[in-house]
Amino acid sequence: NAGVTQTPKFQVLKTGQSMTLQCAQDMNHEYMSWYRQDPGMGLRLIHYSVGAGITDQGEVPNGYNVSRSTTEDFPLRLLSAAPSQTSVYFCASSYSSGTGGSPQHFGDGTRLSIL
Amino acid sequence: AQTVTQSQPEMSVQEAETVTLSCTYDTSENNYYLFWYKQPPSRQMILVIRQEAYKQQNATENRFSVNFQKAAKSFSLKISDSQLGDTAMYFCASKTQGGSEKLVFGKGTKLTVNP
Repeated sequence: NAGVTQTPKFQVLKTGQSMTLQCAQDMNHEYMSWYRQDPGMGLRLIHYSVGAGITDQGEVPNGYNVSRSTTEDFPLRLLSAAPSQTSVYFCASSYSSGTGGSPQHFGDGTRLSIL
Repeated sequence: AQTVTQSQPEMSVQEAETVTLSCTYDTSENNYYLFWYKQPPSRQMILVIRQEAYKQQNATENRFSVNFQKAAKSFSLKISDSQLGDTAMYFCASKTQGGSEKLVFGKGTKLTVNP
């Protein structure tokens, strides 16, 4: 059982380049989300999705796009990378229980450096 | 809006001793969930314990227990018989009931267990 799989684990980009961080889960979870983790800031929500075809913004959405064409996949796109987007990115998923109590399962993270 | 505050950026404890990590939160909701996540140097986010706000009984998972004070909006984590493997960042997080699965995280406490 793979759980939540993120690729790549590490990436270095130049300012202005674009890339997509991949996230896939095999637990049939409705809810998926992307967080970024910066030193001293905890994890902050970028975008989330409550099901295929439905996405919404979190706390820090600027500079990122998402789409959810299938239940399993939730890619995060950086259209024009900026040094401020240097961070560790986590994808997470959970059941949408309707009560809010389902624990989120996290991927292993992607360390992204923008030069 | 929910907020979560962890006032101890760093803590240390001797192996086999007990340590308590503090967390306070603010929410206007009556029903919500609180979580503690552990992030070891491997960067994985591991769920340690979960508390449902409508349950008065404090949650316990082996050596980990919480002191949930709903009126004070306090949710501290107690680690008994600390082990070297407990060395990690610990994040407190909250999530409201009612269909939204969005987690709000504190900034974390770095715990070091010394031999």
